[in-house]
Amino acid sequence: DQQVKQNSPSLSVQEGRISILNCDYTNSMFDYFLWYKKYPAEGPTFLISISSIKDKNEDGRFTVFLNKSAKHLSLHIVPSQPGDSAVYFCAASVGNAGGTSYGKLTFGQGTILTVHP
Amino acid sequence: EAGVTQFPSHSVIEKGQTVTLRCDPISGHDNLYWYRRVMGKEIKFLLHFVKESKQDESGMPNNRFLAERTGGTYSTLKVQPAELEDSGVYFCASSQDQGAPMNTEAFFGQGTRLTVV
Repeated sequence: DQQVKQNSPSLSVQEGRISILNCDYTNSMFDYFLWYKKYPAEGPTFLISISSIKDKNEDGRFTVFLNKSAKHLSLHIVPSQPGDSAVYFCAASVGNAGGTSYGKLTFGQGTILTVHP
Repeated sequence: EAGVTQFPSHSVIEKGQTVTLRCDPISGHDNLYWYRRVMGKEIKFLLHFVKESKQDESGMPNNRFLAERTGGTYSTLKVQPAELEDSGVYFCASSQDQGAPMNTEAFFGQGTRLTVV
């Protein structure tokens, strides 16, 4: 039973436009969410995270939105750049009292983002 | 500062043989995780060390897999005997003490691609 799902295997976007990557989860115990970016032959690289006490977190061109009632989060990249082309993984964990990640991460299948010049 | 390093980067072995993967975490990181990604699917948790102790090994597939972290530094993951379904990319990740007030997101190594033929 997959607890974190990324239903879009791939997404193609024009440079300069917005990229929106979606993620759904089923486990109500999850309260900390992360996005990782992965280039071929490399390990995942942390991008941005959000605690369940927030509904939005922004870092430069990257914004993550969390809708707890819908058990849905999304990553917005504005503006998209060709260097953003990679596999994006959504991940979730049960956080600790300090509001940060704790222990194991449960990942989605990943979405391949291609940004065309 | 060196990141998480994994050896070897690629291993091809025959069914029934033994393979040992190694992970060197970031210096000072007490938490060490092993994950596996099979055939482009989601990245799945295998186990979590805190220093030399196994905190959570709920993701280990079966008793053919043995993980160790003697002395709380580097870790090894041994597969004996290897089966065809063990093929995939094995990632190691490390993070700081979960009690730290700062960001404790996990940093991943580049992975070991294991092919069992």
